[in-house]
Amino acid sequence: DIQMTQSPSTLSASVGDRVTFTCRASQSIGHWVAWYQQKPGKAPKRLIYKASTLESGVPSRLSGSGSGTEFTLTISGLQPDDFATYYCQHYDNYPYNFGQGTKLEIK
Amino acid sequence: EVQLVQSGAEVKKPGESLKISCKGSGYKFTNYWIGWVRQMPGKDLEWMGIVYPGDSDTRYSPPFQGQVIISADKSISTAFLQWSSLKASDSAIYYCARLTDGVDFWGQGTLVTVSS
Repeated sequence: DIQMTQSPSTLSASVGDRVTFTCRASQSIGHWVAWYQQKPGKAPKRLIYKASTLESGVPSRLSGSGSGTEFTLTISGLQPDDFATYYCQHYDNYPYNFGQGTKLEIK
Repeated sequence: EVQLVQSGAEVKKPGESLKISCKGSGYKFTNYWIGWVRQMPGKDLEWMGIVYPGDSDTRYSPPFQGQVIISADKSISTAFLQWSSLKASDSAIYYCARLTDGVDFWGQGTLVTVSS
């Protein structure tokens, strides 16, 4: 199975900051990565797929990059609505494991 | 509009059986894999397994193999997740999810509480 490792586990930032989340795959997975945002009590919401394709309706201040084993999600100009937990997930071959998540907290 | 609507919250005792459901609408149900994801309280997302309603092909993640049964009934556009004997450690929120480039649509989640 391919494992996804996210870092950091918690990130503290302020409104207006730029933050970067990192996800590392245990083996090369091309660009088959998606990123999700989850808020308490809600289902996850996909933000990015194919490593860098923005989901329709997601603001352009979010961006994804990477290929192979290293992937990043960057949010510029943090807004209050961005404070949540973010997960990466690979879908190269089953099982499509998630990373353990990064919780973005208000500093 | 694509929707996955899950069955309601359940409270069960250890040893009881349970079957929860996920009804798809707004798309051709037989053309997309459906997955089940577990989220224990305050914890991460875990893949349990997936099913292809078109031919009922099913795959399980190793920790869940033999612990649950995943199925689908294409005649009613519904996927199922079932347990024959629940344990307290099965208490969690269970999400169904449509697979396209990861997950493009999620169910609202079903809270399962197992307590004596």
